[in-house]
Amino acid sequence: GAVVSQHPSWVICKSGTSVKIECRSLDFQATTMFWYRQFPKQSLMLMATSNEGSKATYEQGVEKDKFLINHASLTLSTLTVTSAHPEDSSFYICSARGVGTGAGYEQYFGPGTRLTVT
Amino acid sequence: AQSVTQLGSHVSVSEGALVLLRCNYSSSVPPYLFWYVQYPNQGLQLLLKYTSAATLVKGINGFEAEFKKSETSFHLTKPSAHMSDAAEYFCAVTGRGYSTLTFGKGTMLLVSP
Repeated sequence: GAVVSQHPSWVICKSGTSVKIECRSLDFQATTMFWYRQFPKQSLMLMATSNEGSKATYEQGVEKDKFLINHASLTLSTLTVTSAHPEDSSFYICSARGVGTGAGYEQYFGPGTRLTVT
Repeated sequence: AQSVTQLGSHVSVSEGALVLLRCNYSSSVPPYLFWYVQYPNQGLQLLLKYTSAATLVKGINGFEAEFKKSETSFHLTKPSAHMSDAAEYFCAVTGRGYSTLTFGKGTMLLVSP
């Protein structure tokens, strides 16, 4: 139980274009979803927290106009990287937390999306 | 405020040897603590969690961790390392009133034959 999927797992896009990453909770309802960015050999950096049906809360230093987050349903959140540039290349990981997932404090992580901007 | 310190960015052990990965935390509220494992190019998998019940927590793949309030520690152990345990391990903390996890910087476990 508590499975989170991400799509795509790997994407290459040209500089200036936008790319959308989907995060789905497959067997539970995710009231809260989180988006992280991970640079090589580093820890996870929280980008934003989104609650279903409301605007995402972005961490300090994260451009909300560049990283658009939508959490329109209890099983789907999307991250759109707009006007991507090579410095946006990274590993993006989502996680979800919701009702019926145990203690309620742990997060269940997706497999990640490797974004390469050329 | 919350923080996590993982001592040692890399830990090397021989197959069959004891694994000990260290995690110390700081929290202004009673903490909930987690250990996650990450294999290359994959997301994080929950190994075990402490959420104010038993202080000795058993997880998957033979791992366990002990919550020691007096030492503000939550070290991860496994009696006998296996080659498949080679991965990055993250300790994380949250608590009542906090909606987010705070991660340590991670420890890479290397297992040699």
